[in-house]
Amino acid sequence: EIVLTQSPATLSLSPGERATLSCRASQSVSRYLAWYQQKPGQAPRLLIYGASNRATGIPARFSGSGSGTDFTLTISSLEPEDFAVYYCQQRSDWPPGPLTFGGGTKVEIK
Amino acid sequence: EVQLLESGGGLVQPGGSLRLSCAASGFTFSSYAMSWVRQAPGKGLEWVSVISGSADSTYYADSVKGRFTISRDNSKNTLYLQMNSLRAEDTAIYYCATRDYDCSSASCLYYFDFWGQGTLVTVSS
Repeated sequence: EIVLTQSPATLSLSPGERATLSCRASQSVSRYLAWYQQKPGQAPRLLIYGASNRATGIPARFSGSGSGTDFTLTISSLEPEDFAVYYCQQRSDWPPGPLTFGGGTKVEIK
Repeated sequence: EVQLLESGGGLVQPGGSLRLSCAASGFTFSSYAMSWVRQAPGKGLEWVSVISGSADSTYYADSVKGRFTISRDNSKNTLYLQMNSLRAEDTAIYYCATRDYDCSSASCLYYFDFWGQGTLVTVSS
């Protein structure tokens, strides 16, 4: 099973600052990686798929990059509504290999 | 508008059973593969199971294989998760989820655009 490790666990930033979140895979997942945002009490929301493609309705301040084992989600300038938990998810070897998620990065207000 | 509404969660004793439902609307249900994803309290996300649009293909996470069964009734636009031999570690919010385009094969449901609001399952004595 491919393990995704996200870092840092918590990112403390101020509105307007740039956020850089990392996701590292235990083996190559090519570009089969997605990013989700989750706010308290809500279901996750798909932000990025295929490592760098924004999902429908996602603002341009969100961007994804990377391939193989190292991926990055960048929020160019944090808006108040961006403070949340972010998860990466891979689909390599699917199916029947399981879909797996990273442990999450919490972006909190400094 | 796509809507997914889970129900059936609750408190159950270890070793017990529970059946979750996910009522779908706003799309041609039979043309979409569907998945269950869960989240333990204060923890991350864990994919649980997927079923194809025609129900001829299913896959499970190792953690639930042999205990959980995914199924669907396309005439009722409803997805199910039958959970048997429940354990404390199955305590979680259970979400149903799917993609934003016709994706009938289980193999093409690997990202999740649409999610329900979740239903909480608590396994405790």
